[in-house]
Amino acid sequence: EPEVTQTPSHQVTQMGQEVILRCVPISNHLYFYWYRQILGQKVEFLVSFYNNEISEKSEIFDDQFSVERPDGSNFTLKIRSTKLEDSAMYFCASSRRWTGKGDGNQPQHFGDGTRLSIL
Amino acid sequence: AQKVTQAQTEISVVEKEDVTLDCVYETRDTTYYLFWYKQPPSGELVFLIRRNSFDEQNEISGRYSWNFQKSTSSFNFTITASQVVDSAVYFCALSEAIGGKTGGGNKLTFGTGTQLKVEL
Repeated sequence: EPEVTQTPSHQVTQMGQEVILRCVPISNHLYFYWYRQILGQKVEFLVSFYNNEISEKSEIFDDQFSVERPDGSNFTLKIRSTKLEDSAMYFCASSRRWTGKGDGNQPQHFGDGTRLSIL
Repeated sequence: AQKVTQAQTEISVVEKEDVTLDCVYETRDTTYYLFWYKQPPSGELVFLIRRNSFDEQNEISGRYSWNFQKSTSSFNFTITASQVVDSAVYFCALSEAIGGKTGGGNKLTFGTGTQLKVEL
């Protein structure tokens, strides 16, 4: 069964450094997302992406964050200048386009996550 | 604004017991979708079920069943004859209806999760 893959599984970075988290969504999916989960807390939406542009972003997704789909397969999340509070598990997800009335909001399939630790 | 409440922070049961995980949601949308995800100790998020707001039929899949009640804004999840492998955090999530211009891709709003521990 196709799956979302994320690399690296664990990233350790000094505060103030830039970090890029990488994701390969499921190949026939058109919608891409990033979420984060601070240790022991709930999963929070960061951003959604469709047709090469951001569809929606949360308050967390400030100017320090950016997303890119540099080619036909990868989807990346960049944090320009990391802070201690950026330490979290970051999940990438993807979903298919809806197939018709009543079948919208297809399930989002998640990768295994990247654990980001800021020192 | 959308909100999902999972009041049970942690539940412990003995294997073979039945257990119900509660989920209550708030939304102003008339069309929405509800989901359950499982997060085992290894950390990944595993999709379990999706339900749209027009379909109030309960669903059963093996030992799992879901009870959607629009009147009480609840979407509860029951595991029958629980097993140790069911031990995980379970998240309920809500997504508003399709946006007209995108045809999909709407964010998930998660609850805080319920930690289920199944012991021998």
